[in-house]
Amino acid sequence: AQSVTQLGSHVSVSEGALVLLRCNYSSSVPPYLFWYVQYPNQGLQLLLKYTSAATLVKGINGFEAEFKKSETSFHLTKPSAHMSDAAEYFCAVSEHNDMRFGAGTRLTVKP
Amino acid sequence: NAGVTQTPKFQVLKTGQSMTLQCAQDMNHEYMSWYRQDPGMGLRLIHYSVGAGITDQGEVPNGYNVSRSTTEDFPLRLLSAAPSQTSVYFCASSPPGRRSEQYFGPGTRLTVT
Repeated sequence: AQSVTQLGSHVSVSEGALVLLRCNYSSSVPPYLFWYVQYPNQGLQLLLKYTSAATLVKGINGFEAEFKKSETSFHLTKPSAHMSDAAEYFCAVSEHNDMRFGAGTRLTVKP
Repeated sequence: NAGVTQTPKFQVLKTGQSMTLQCAQDMNHEYMSWYRQDPGMGLRLIHYSVGAGITDQGEVPNGYNVSRSTTEDFPLRLLSAAPSQTSVYFCASSPPGRRSEQYFGPGTRLTVT
């Protein structure tokens, strides 16, 4: 079955700094890959998705992610962090009807 | 559209009690699913449905039942609650042809004592 590993349960950056959240996946078929964001006491919101088209995927709020098959990675980046980016971020992989999520990375943004 | 709605928002149960978590969507989505979220474990799929009358098990189905009699509703039943089922439960739905693009409800926080 497919699985996702998110490296780092907590990431802290300064406002204006680069955000890099790491995700590695395993899948027996070409995967669909996703990043979701969860703000406190809310459900998950889709940030971006990879569905075998362009390997560099742009999402909402200035985030993007690059699919690297050779590294089985789908890391999330944003050039300049805002205070409003503080949230928990989940990477997910989907095969057929089954979606598996990573454990999540909590992003803290320091002023 | 109200999107995906869940009730109740909070619930406390005693061990052995039963209850149903409600989920509804008004977007005519075929695919619906239930997840539980536990600290440090991300979201785990409990059950899902690809359309009215069709359900299947996910990663952690034990202790939970589902049914899908209409496109709009996908209730999750706990037959005999256990403390291990203390969690936050999320319902999600997906548009036709875009099954992997899921829209999540606000969640139900369940505590079993």
